[in-house]
Amino acid sequence: KAGVTQTPRYLIKTRGQQVTLSCSPISGHRSVSWYQQTPGQGLQFLFEYFSETQRNKGNFPGRFSGRQFSNSRSEMNVSTLELGDSALYLCASSPAGRGSSTNEKLFFGSGTQLSVL
Amino acid sequence: AQSVTQPDIHITVSEGASLELRCNYSYGATPYLFWYVQSPGQGLQLLLKYFSGDTLVQGIKGFEAEFKRSQSSFNLRKPSVHWSDAAEYFCAVGAYNQGGKLIFGQGTELSVKP
Repeated sequence: KAGVTQTPRYLIKTRGQQVTLSCSPISGHRSVSWYQQTPGQGLQFLFEYFSETQRNKGNFPGRFSGRQFSNSRSEMNVSTLELGDSALYLCASSPAGRGSSTNEKLFFGSGTQLSVL
Repeated sequence: AQSVTQPDIHITVSEGASLELRCNYSYGATPYLFWYVQSPGQGLQLLLKYFSGDTLVQGIKGFEAEFKRSQSSFNLRKPSVHWSDAAEYFCAVGAYNQGGKLIFGQGTELSVKP
């Protein structure tokens, strides 16, 4: 089975631009969670989607948004980029269903490294 | 407030020596506890997890961790470290009703001396 696939692997943008990152979960997984990883703040939860609905959300400004498609692939979008948005963005998928907790088993992708200049 | 503390930012051990990585948490509900490992340029891999029951849990790659409720700790151990264990290790806490949300510690970078 293929793992979690994130594209692109690296991205360079300038301040004020917007960016879209993509995540393809493991086949059969309906939950996708997004995390931001920076040297200063560490790993922080952005949001989770399950069956095309946002189920949980972290403490990030509205510039950070996401969506999930019917095939469970997910995208996250950051608008009006700031220097502080430079980070490794990790996506994780989970096989858990509605009745169980998705954090019990998270499978992470290798991430998208975003640099904002 | 919910938080995870990993007191050691960087640890160096000799190959073949034992290892203990510390983790303390603050969490209001009954926590789920995890240890993840991250190699450079890679995502996170789950080493082990604790939900309930036996407080000593076994994981992959020869790692184990012990949950101590009275000390709010979940320390990771390995009896004999291999050079391939060099990586960054993250302790995390979650709960049943938190979905995909985990709260991570700042990580401990492990270096292994030959």
